[in-house]
Amino acid sequence: SQQGEEDPQALSIQEGENATMNCSYKTSINNLQWYRQNSGRGLVHLILIRSNEREKHSGRLRVTLDTSKKSSSLLITASRAADTASYFCATERDSNYQLIWGAGTKLIIKP
Amino acid sequence: EAGVAQSPRYKIIEKRQSVAFWCNPISGHATLYWYQQILGQGPKLLIQFQNNGVVDDSQLPKDRFSAERLKGVDSTLKIQPAKLEDSAVYLCASSVRVRTEAFFGQGTRLTVV
Repeated sequence: SQQGEEDPQALSIQEGENATMNCSYKTSINNLQWYRQNSGRGLVHLILIRSNEREKHSGRLRVTLDTSKKSSSLLITASRAADTASYFCATERDSNYQLIWGAGTKLIIKP
Repeated sequence: EAGVAQSPRYKIIEKRQSVAFWCNPISGHATLYWYQQILGQGPKLLIQFQNNGVVDDSQLPKDRFSAERLKGVDSTLKIQPAKLEDSAVYLCASSVRVRTEAFFGQGTRLTVV
């Protein structure tokens, strides 16, 4: 069963703009992870944020986590054509070690 | 550092045939995952190993799918007999331990005709 749900399902923006994707989940989690998938490099880990953290940065990526709302957001600043990919959130439950995935957001960066 | 290796990359079989996939995780990684990803969907966990023990196989169709992890290193996933709906990409991933980032292989694209 899918734990996370990404929103929007698809997003198309101009190069240089910022992209924001959201993830909602249902049960208590230990951590939430964001991954990127494109045809060239497969699935690649971006950021892991633990349930006791509220915000994390990695280069042009910023992830926030609100455990009270059971939601997370991924912000990509100054987007580039190479950011075109599908972005997935995956949650690792607190009660077990399952890593459960959403259906992803398809991001298209227009030149 | 070598990544997660999977083989074969592509496989086409007829329904009711059997197929096996192989995965070699990153050296030293205790946790190994097998996922099924259908086009347009997120990965679905099939089975998770911690060393050579099964942590979770609740979503593995055990009447046709089986997996093992020999000596806590390599792993094989088998489907017997295959159905049309098994057409998907089968992804193997590993992590140092649970609660850490997972590293994925390139996957095996299975087509059942």
